[in-house]
Amino acid sequence: DAGVTQSPTHLIKTRGQQVTLRCSPISGHKSVSWYQQVLGQGPQFIFQYYEKEERGRGNFPDRFSARQFPNYSSELNVNALLLGDSALYLCASSSDSYGYTFGSGTRLTVV
Amino acid sequence: AQSVSQHNHHVILSEAASLELGCNYSYGGTVNLFWYVQYPGQHLQLLLKYFSGDPLVKGIKGFEAEFIKSKFSFNLRKPSVQWSDTAEYFCAVIDYSSASKIIFGSGTRLSIRP
Repeated sequence: DAGVTQSPTHLIKTRGQQVTLRCSPISGHKSVSWYQQVLGQGPQFIFQYYEKEERGRGNFPDRFSARQFPNYSSELNVNALLLGDSALYLCASSSDSYGYTFGSGTRLTVV
Repeated sequence: AQSVSQHNHHVILSEAASLELGCNYSYGGTVNLFWYVQYPGQHLQLLLKYFSGDPLVKGIKGFEAEFIKSKFSFNLRKPSVQWSDTAEYFCAVIDYSSASKIIFGSGTRLSIRP
């Protein structure tokens, strides 16, 4: 049974560029959440999607956007990258509010 | 909104020592609590969770946690640590105020001396 898969695993971008991160949830999970984990800190909530609708948004600028597709996979987009966007981006899927499974993350480095 | 505090930023223990990591959440009512572990270079893994029932929760790898409602606490314990327990540990709570998002503490880095 495949877990939550994220791609790519590592990414290097230049300031001002745009990036798209992808997440495939566990089969049957309809909810996907995105988190940003800066080195030395706990993950911070960015977005939650359920059945293709945004259910919640964290305290992130409008440069961050996301969407969920009919197959429940999701993309996180970040425009106009800043050095401070360098982080591990985590995706979590859930079938309900009680169990969240995290992917291995995408390590984004902005130079 | 909920918040989580982990007061120990870095804990260093010798093998076979007992472990207790502190975690406090901000307000009461119904709470759903978690402990996650992140081994070096690996993804977050769920150690244990509390939703209701017995306040003493047993998780994987010999870890347990006790939910004490009166103290707003959910401390993680292990009677005898191993070198392989070296990792970052995160306490987390579900915030239902908007979406069912997980609020994480800042984490505790555990280093075990062999």
